[in-house]
Formats: sequence, C-alpha cells, structure tokens
Amino acid sequence: GAVVSQHPSRVICKSGTSVKIECRSLDFQATTMFWYRQFPKQSLMLMATSNEGSKATYEQGVEKDKFLINHASLTLSTLTVTSAHPEDSSFYICSAPHWDSINYGYTFGSGTRLTVV
Amino acid sequence: SQELEQSPQSLIVQEGKNLTINCTSSKTLYGLYWYKQKYGEGLIFLMMLQKGGEEKSHEKITAKLDEKKQQSSLHITASQPSHAGIYLCGADVHNTGNQFYFGTGTSLTVIP
Repeated sequence: GAVVSQHPSRVICKSGTSVKIECRSLDFQATTMFWYRQFPKQSLMLMATSNEGSKATYEQGVEKDKFLINHASLTLSTLTVTSAHPEDSSFYICSAPHWDSINYGYTFGSGTRLTVV
Repeated sequence: SQELEQSPQSLIVQEGKNLTINCTSSKTLYGLYWYKQKYGEGLIFLMMLQKGGEEKSHEKITAKLDEKKQQSSLHITASQPSHAGIYLCGADVHNTGNQFYFGTGTSLTVIP
C-alpha cells in the first residue's frame, strides 16, 4: 500500500534555529501534501497544503515566512520551521492523498515531535 | 479552520460500557474518515464512509454516515482499555481535493 515516510520522528533544537521536516512518498507520486500541527490534548490543525510545482496554500493564521514549505518533486515535500521558538514545540504530521485501484484515500506520515529549548 | 465538530470533547467510561462519538459538519462531506491516535504518535485508520446511510463495522467499532452526509457517529461496544485514545474524524469538506480537515477530536479514557 501507499507509504509516506516522515523524518525526523523527534527533534530537539535551540531557540532561534531552523528545523526541516521531510515527507517522502515511497511508492506513489504525491502531487499534494497536507501539513498539520497538533498541540497536546488538541486535534490536528491543517497548516498548509503543498502542491508540486506551485506555491503552498496556507491556512488562515499560519505564517508562511515562518513555516516554509517546499514541494520539490512528486515524492518529496518539506516543512522548515524557521527561527524556532518554544511555542513552536508541537507534533507535526504530513499526509498525501492518493488513489489505489479502487479508492481515494489519505496516507499519513508517522509524525515529528519538535521540541524547541 | 475547524469545520468538523466532534462531541463529546472528552469521554470517561467504565470498561465494558458502550459509547458513541459524533462528528458534524454544516457542509456535505465527501468521504468521512475515522482515525484513532495517541498524542505525539501516528494515526491509526479505522474506517471510511462515502455513501449516505452507509454503515461499517470492524471488531467492536461501528461507524455510520447519515443520509445527508453531514453527520457521522462512531460507536464502540463493550469498551476496553485498549480503546483509549484520541478519536478524530476527517473529511474533505469542500470536495476540491485541496484540503483535508480533522474534527475537533474526542479524548476517550476507559477505566478498568
């Protein structure tokens, strides 16, 4: 089945530095990738939608200059948290829609737990 | 924006009890998905419903989508501690394929 590989699974960084999170579709082409953020005891909030070959679409309230998204190829999308601060500490997860032989579905990465110290 | 409302927000039940979680949208849902998660971990896909009136079951979990395709329920029979976690509904509410939103989430605790 369709697999999305997300790395790193956990990262600790110092305040002010940047962190890059990668999501790769391993056995299908992901023309679209959704990026979500989750705080403790809350649901997953859609941050942005990346599309291969075009600019990402950001949800209201999400700073596009802080959360840089690049969809460089049909199998790779990256989220870079720039100048990270402790309040950016969160769980980030990506998802790609895809078709199998019958159904339209969504495959999720395993998530990245970011801690900014 | 959170366009899918879930209720209740949290639920604490005794082991063996039945429970129901609801997911409601003001717009027609094009494919309603149910997931289970623990914070900081990946999502576990439970079920997907597409047709109005559709009902699916897997082990002790049953999910239904109403005829109008605006509300779904997830029912757990004879709950067990292993059912504990966060339950999330998700859907493409705009039918554009461009955004997939999650519901507000329901935290389930099952007391042994």
